Amino acid sequence: QSALTQPRSVSGSPRQSVTISCTGTSSDVGGYNYVSWYQHHPGKVPKLIIYDVTKRPSGVPDRFSGSRSGNTASLTISGLQADDEADYYCCSYAGSFTWVFGGGTKLTVL
Amino acid sequence: EVQVLESGGGLVQPGGSLRLSCAASGFTFSSYSMSWVRQAPGKGLEWVSSLSADGARTYYADSVKGRFTISRDNSKATLFLQMNGLRDEDTALYYCAKRSEAGSYYFNSWGQGTLVTVSS
Repeated sequence: QSALTQPRSVSGSPRQSVTISCTGTSSDVGGYNYVSWYQHHPGKVPKLIIYDVTKRPSGVPDRFSGSRSGNTASLTISGLQADDEADYYCCSYAGSFTWVFGGGTKLTVL
Repeated sequence: EVQVLESGGGLVQPGGSLRLSCAASGFTFSSYSMSWVRQAPGKGLEWVSSLSADGARTYYADSVKGRFTISRDNSKATLFLQMNGLRDEDTALYYCAKRSEAGSYYFNSWGQGTLVTVSS
């Protein structure tokens, strides 16, 4: 049950794109099509923005997209906006009704 | 509207116990697996425990196994987390989270969290 590896911080200017990586193992990220991503503004409730690696819940802009290659999943945010500044967490199902989260990435919009 | 509301957090001494509750509304509680996820100060999210919809199957992170017990009362749409043998490292904001529909594995509704502080 080791945490997934995410960069501690990323940054980008408005209208630019950023990508956040999430590296796990073949027992979690690489082994199941169940990677999800959460946006967390401090003091607020975590918000689901990507599930099942690439799917977006209704209401989440298509500026947010997910992908995966091997044991590494990625979240790409295009057309950065000021309100995108938040912490982002990846999460993977790890089998037997257990989950593992990443350490979180702080996104700064310059 | 789906809502989950945690309560029961507070200050407790190391070795002490605390029972968290999570009141759910806006969905058929008895049809969904539920989980607890925590966030220690300055740290990331950590999955803690999950419970099947019928309450028959429980799952725990290694860090809490043997000390925490998850349970539910479907007649009252409430999830619980009994925490015993609390340690400093259990200090965190504890979130109650509703799992997705069967066939996938993500958390689509979260509460505001309840703060647990373990300190002498």
